[in-house]
Order: sequence, then C-alpha cells, then structure tokens
Amino acid sequence: EVQLVESGGGLVKPGGSLRLSCAASGFTFSSYSMNWVRQAPGKGLEWVSSISSSSSYIYYADSVKGRFTISRDNAKNSLYLQMNSLRAEDTAVYYCAGAVAGTDWFDPWGQGTLVTVSS
Amino acid sequence: QSVLTQPPSVSGAPGQRVTISCTGSSSNIGAGYDVHWYQQLPGTAPKLLIYGNSNRPSGVPDRFSGSKSGTSASLAITGLQAEDEADYYCQSYDSSLRRVFGGGTKLTVL
Repeated sequence: EVQLVESGGGLVKPGGSLRLSCAASGFTFSSYSMNWVRQAPGKGLEWVSSISSSSSYIYYADSVKGRFTISRDNAKNSLYLQMNSLRAEDTAVYYCAGAVAGTDWFDPWGQGTLVTVSS
Repeated sequence: QSVLTQPPSVSGAPGQRVTISCTGSSSNIGAGYDVHWYQQLPGTAPKLLIYGNSNRPSGVPDRFSGSKSGTSASLAITGLQAEDEADYYCQSYDSSLRRVFGGGTKLTVL
C-alpha cells in the first residue's frame, strides 16, 4: 500500500522552530520528487517547498524562503521540513505529497500534521 | 489572493452537471503548463482527480472530466452524486512562483 505519514507537528511559540518528518512506503521513494503543501484553518492549499528525487533541485515559496529548509534521505525513505522563525501565519496542516520525477502533479498525499504557532 | 482563480462555490442537484473554472494568466496556464485537479472531502487530505489537463487516475469515475483552453481550465462533473460534495482545487506551474493552486471551490449537492 502506497503511504505517506507525517509527524512532528504541534504547538510552538512565535519565533520557535519545528521539524516535520514524512515517512514513505509502498513506492519507490527515490524516483519521486517530494513536496510540502500546507492548508491554514478554513483556507485553501498553498505549495510550500519541493525537492527533486536526488536533492539536486530545491524550491521554496516566497512566504517561507530563508526560514524553512526541505531535505530528504532516500536511504530512509523520508522527507523533512525544518521550520525556523515560525510566525502565526504559518499555522496550518502540513501535507507531504509526492510527484513522479518529471511530473508536477501531486500523488500520493499524506494525511497531514497540524502546526500551531501561538503564544 | 491565489494566482489561479476559482469560484468560491458551485452547487447542483443530484444527477445534474456542474463545471468549475480555473483562470490563470500568461505566466502559468497560458504559458502551456498543465492543469491538475484535486478533490478534498471534509476532514481528509486532497486526492488527485485529474492530471495533465484531462487524464483520470485509475479509480476516478468517468463522471469527472477536465479541459484546458488558453489561460483557463475547467473541471466538469456529470451525474452529480451526494458523495461528490467536497472542495475542489486546480493546480498548475507558474514560471515565477513554481507550483500554484487555485483558491478552491466548494461543491454543494442540493
């Protein structure tokens, strides 16, 4: 079964840090580019960051550039998002999503992990 | 404000046909980039519904179809069913912003 499972979400104070993880199984992780997409409460989807299959290419949305760092470990079938200098507007459910290398549609998706930034 | 514009809501009675539009610009859809559609049922993660403008992944009913023309794309749902009530998002690529989503459309089945 194809599966992505996020973890690491929680409550953090403004200015704090959090590291999200995404564990992949059931597909060839190293053949997929991986992405983080977030959804603020009651709002739409927002693409956050992408990393190519071999980590050669990394992209960020302007809203997180300089604060978030995406990385992956193909040996562990895992994706990560290091989030620093967190702001209230970063509060959202964070989804990891895969895309077959060379394509830009997202499939599969994880179930999401909630990050709440509040004092 | 999203780069891709969708109507906030649409509605239809069971059995009817509804369409959801996704309007972009010359830097995304109009530049030739493909459009993809996702369905998000309440309380769940998004699910790929249409990829590459008009292709359905395995398991998606043929009641769902997609098209693209110029700077816009559309998702059509025929034979509307209660289980189709969900939020629908379009997604494409933008030459300046990378991947971009529409603001989402809430479909209500009357």
